[in-house]
Amino acid sequence: GENVEQHPSTLSVQEGDSAVIKCTYSDSASNYFPWYKQELGKGPQLIIDIRSNVGEKKDQRIAVTLNKTAKHFSLHITETQPEDSAVYFCAATPYNFNKFYFGSGTKLNVKP
Amino acid sequence: GAGVSQSPSNKVTEKGKDVELRCDPISGHTALYWYRQSLGQGLEFLIYFQGNSAPDKSGLPSDRFSAERTGGSVSTLTIQRTQQEDSAVYLCASSFGGVGDIQYFGAGTRLSVL
Repeated sequence: GENVEQHPSTLSVQEGDSAVIKCTYSDSASNYFPWYKQELGKGPQLIIDIRSNVGEKKDQRIAVTLNKTAKHFSLHITETQPEDSAVYFCAATPYNFNKFYFGSGTKLNVKP
Repeated sequence: GAGVSQSPSNKVTEKGKDVELRCDPISGHTALYWYRQSLGQGLEFLIYFQGNSAPDKSGLPSDRFSAERTGGSVSTLTIQRTQQEDSAVYLCASSFGGVGDIQYFGAGTRLSVL
């Protein structure tokens, strides 16, 4: 089955700096890659996703890049704000299959 | 409802007792998932329901774990003879059921087994 690895496990940045979280996957059949943000005491919420037919997607301060050849994808947050502090999870799912495989999470701390 | 609802939000039980966790998915969502999130860990897939199809139980860690979904809507996750290692947050998610459809998560049930 699919194996998703995520790093770093913790990331501390100064407000206004950029943050990058990276994930790798093992199954070349994976074609959908969502990113979730989980705030304390809440369930994960989708913040951005990318499908395998594109290499990059942006939504305001967040962007995701995908390298299918290397089987890795990354989340980029620019101009970080304290409210960006949370745990971020990447996930991958193979084509025609609804089981999501999640990374182990990255705890992002944005220092004001 | 507006989102996925899970109850109870917190459950404390004694080792050896059975517990039932409930999930109300978003209306119209045909797919429902259960995940387990241990402290500081990622989301571990437990079970997946899609419409009237047989559920994918491949993630259930032992035969003490079971789940059902009545009428294609509400789901209950049952853990029998709970053990301390069952302590975790149990998350439910639902989606429209298409390939790669967005999963919407509930806030979870925090289970503590003493």
